[in-house]
Amino acid sequence: SYVLTQPPSVPVAPGQTASITCGGNNIGSKSVHWYQQKPGQAPVLVVYGYSDRPSGIPERFSGSNSGNTATLTISRVEAGDEADYYCQVWDSSSDTWVFGGGTKVTVL
Amino acid sequence: QITLKESGPTLVKPTQTLTLTCTFSGFSLRSSGVGVGWIRQPPGKALEWLTLIYWDDDKRYSPSLKSRLTITKDTSKNQVVLSLTNMDPVDTATYYCAHATLYGSGSFFPHWGQGTPVTVSS
Repeated sequence: SYVLTQPPSVPVAPGQTASITCGGNNIGSKSVHWYQQKPGQAPVLVVYGYSDRPSGIPERFSGSNSGNTATLTISRVEAGDEADYYCQVWDSSSDTWVFGGGTKVTVL
Repeated sequence: QITLKESGPTLVKPTQTLTLTCTFSGFSLRSSGVGVGWIRQPPGKALEWLTLIYWDDDKRYSPSLKSRLTITKDTSKNQVVLSLTNMDPVDTATYYCAHATLYGSGSFFPHWGQGTPVTVSS
């Protein structure tokens, strides 16, 4: 089965840039989607496809994807960005949906 | 505005069958490219995809749970039902239903329900 690997935690100071990676075999050939989950809340889609954002998501959230690593970048980090972030792909070989293990972004 | 809401028991006994209903509004499961999926999250752990049903009644299941899972839809009621048999304490989790949108050959989940906690205990 396809596996997505994320770092458990990413600390970042306010105003700086957070980069959250999502590793997978040839993930650059797949569409990667990113979700933000705050404590006690349901996940919220923040980036889909290459780097599209749903309505209401700030431009500070962007995505990139190449080779074996996809990255969610949060620019000018704010305290309100503190949350768990999950990457997700659809694996065509198994026709299943896969989530990464999640990354906790801590705003210092 | 798209909304989804999960309903069902919060406590089930080991070996019992869990049945959860997702009631949604703001979209139709008759529309091409639309689906509803179920995802769960054990306490303190990551999201785990379980199953998905498409507008054309095409269904997909997690390989690790396929023998225990069933997903059905009632388009007239705007509902999707999840059944998970032979429940075990490891199935304790918050269960989410989510609206799925086709993207390329796969889908992503732009809208989620609030989730419903399910505890498996005797």
